[in-house]
Amino acid sequence: QQQVKQSPQSLIVQKGGISIINCAYENTAFDYFPWYQQFPGKGPALLIAIRPDVSEKKEGRFTISFNKSAKQFSLHIMDSQPGDSATYFCAASTGRRALTFGSGTRLQVQP
Amino acid sequence: GAVVSQHPSWVICKSGTSVKIECRSLDFQATTMFWYRQFPKQSLMLMATSNEGSKATYEQGVEKDKFLINHASLTLSTLTVTSAHPEDSSFYICSARAGGAWGYTFGSGTRLTVV
Repeated sequence: QQQVKQSPQSLIVQKGGISIINCAYENTAFDYFPWYQQFPGKGPALLIAIRPDVSEKKEGRFTISFNKSAKQFSLHIMDSQPGDSATYFCAASTGRRALTFGSGTRLQVQP
Repeated sequence: GAVVSQHPSWVICKSGTSVKIECRSLDFQATTMFWYRQFPKQSLMLMATSNEGSKATYEQGVEKDKFLINHASLTLSTLTVTSAHPEDSSFYICSARAGGAWGYTFGSGTRLTVV
């Protein structure tokens, strides 16, 4: 599988702050870039996704920024809440192939 | 829409026995399903791609004779861990591509503990 590199490994943010998680990829054939949220003992749940023809997508408090030339994309969580505390995974895929996941970021939002 | 149901949620089995995990797409037809394994505090690693009516494609390093995958219908894929050993203890997650805005939908996962 082609690699997707994710950083940081862990993140602590105060309530109301902005959480930013970054991912970088090498395979220029990737055409779908989702972000997933996972709580302990649960499967990943889709948060937001973007395709490479768009530079930014916003859904509620979640925004994906996509830089095709730099082969990077990031997740911004505005007004972070304690309920957002979870592990976040970026991923990428080509066509109908399986997703390749980043290593994950454990987010802790402190009250 | 785009719900994937996975059962059981957790299972404990004795070493040497086999365990079957089911993954069903409830409101869409899934010609392709994916099986992942996740160890504690690690990412999801693709084990195999399951295609309806044909043999699964396994990732390098995954023993196809140990992890039997069957995709007999457009809504059901099963993963059987044969002759399980403690090192097979992990969190197994299935996924299916629903298409359109739903992308890839994941099951709730199965926690397998082999004792």
